[in-house]
Amino acid sequence: EPEVTQTPSHQVTQMGQEVILRCVPISNHLYFYWYRQILGQKVEFLVSFYNNEISEKSEIFDDQFSVERPDGSNFTLKIRSTKLEDSAMYFCASRASFGQGKADTQYFGPGTRLTVL
Amino acid sequence: GEDVEQSLFLSVREGDSSVINCTYTDSSSTYLYWYKQEPGAGLQLLTYIFSNMDMKQDQRLTVLLNKKDKHLSLRIADTQTGDSAIYFCAEEGAGSYQLTFGKGTKLSVIP
Repeated sequence: EPEVTQTPSHQVTQMGQEVILRCVPISNHLYFYWYRQILGQKVEFLVSFYNNEISEKSEIFDDQFSVERPDGSNFTLKIRSTKLEDSAMYFCASRASFGQGKADTQYFGPGTRLTVL
Repeated sequence: GEDVEQSLFLSVREGDSSVINCTYTDSSSTYLYWYKQEPGAGLQLLTYIFSNMDMKQDQRLTVLLNKKDKHLSLRIADTQTGDSAIYFCAEEGAGSYQLTFGKGTKLSVIP
């Protein structure tokens, strides 16, 4: 069964450093998402991406964050200057299509645990 | 903003039924989902229900939706130790690209 993959599984970085989290969505999917989960808290939406542009973003997704689909397979989340509070599990998700009367659900990857020291 | 609430813990004996409850505030929710998260793992989609349905059954899983009360429940029949995990309720509003999640209910199954 096709699945979303993410690398690395765990990333440790120093405060102020840039990190890039990588995701390979399911191959025929068109919509891509990033969510994060701070330890013990809710899974929170960060951003959605379709047709090479951001469709929707949350208040968390400020100027320090960016997303990119540099080629036909990868979808990346960049944090320019990491803060301690960016420590969380980051989940990538992808979806085949949207609406049209049936649930095309979001499939989640296993997550990247980001630890900012 | 929209909100989804769940009780944080549930403990059941193996073989019993588990019922995990969820309430949400978005009256325009189109789909509601249940995801399962095992320790250290990602989010596994268990089942979903469209907002014009009252009930959906899928093997040991039964989802009940009361749209008037904005209440969603997940019943797991014959609960097994392998069902121990955190269960997240999530809703998707009309025309929205994002899911809003609850905090998750940690299900512990006692052998």
